[in-house]
Amino acid sequence: DVKVTQSSRYLVKRTGEKVFLECVQDMDHENMFWYRQDPGLGLRLIYFSYDVKMKEKGDIPEGYSVSREKKERFSLILESASTNQTSMYLCASRTPGRNEQYFGPGTRLTVT
Amino acid sequence: AQSVTQLDSQVPVFEEAPVELRCNYSSSVSVYLFWYVQYPNQGLQLLLKYLSGSTLVKGINGFEAEFNKSQTSFHLRKPSVHISDTAEYFCAVSGGATNKLIFGTGTLLAVQP
Repeated sequence: DVKVTQSSRYLVKRTGEKVFLECVQDMDHENMFWYRQDPGLGLRLIYFSYDVKMKEKGDIPEGYSVSREKKERFSLILESASTNQTSMYLCASRTPGRNEQYFGPGTRLTVT
Repeated sequence: AQSVTQLDSQVPVFEEAPVELRCNYSSSVSVYLFWYVQYPNQGLQLLLKYLSGSTLVKGINGFEAEFNKSQTSFHLRKPSVHISDTAEYFCAVSGGATNKLIFGTGTLLAVQP
């Protein structure tokens, strides 16, 4: 079975802090994704990566950056956290040519 | 551009009753369609998918969905629900050059005893 893990289930940070969310997958998937999930809005794509050191902006990249130095790890960075970034963050991975994505358990981030 | 509409934000239903969760999509290219389930405080789990072939797709936990191209729909059904089916259900579509997943806003299925 594919396993996608995220470094924290719950995280509380202060406004202005730099925040790192880590995601690791164990199935050698080339593609990885970061989404945020908000009530009534569903999942929205922040960034995705086709392969190591490759990244592309999704639909809502403002205020976020990403890093993919190794194939199994995809990090989401909030350079200066703000209260409107309080949300559930979900990481996913996929093999190219297959359409389904496999999701991690999510990180619920609260910025105070 | 592709989009997905889940008109029902919440569907209350009694245990052992049938349920249908509605999903409509729009796309100018051939699509692949998915239903994901999210149990409380968990990530998303793939319930079923339509890639090609038979329009009736069976998934895990007794769920099934039917792809209807003329009505651009992919409704999810279960003939008899259990309390444990209480969760949020997301419909998603992908296709085109990037093959990104576009999600609907979700439907909360609330099964009551």
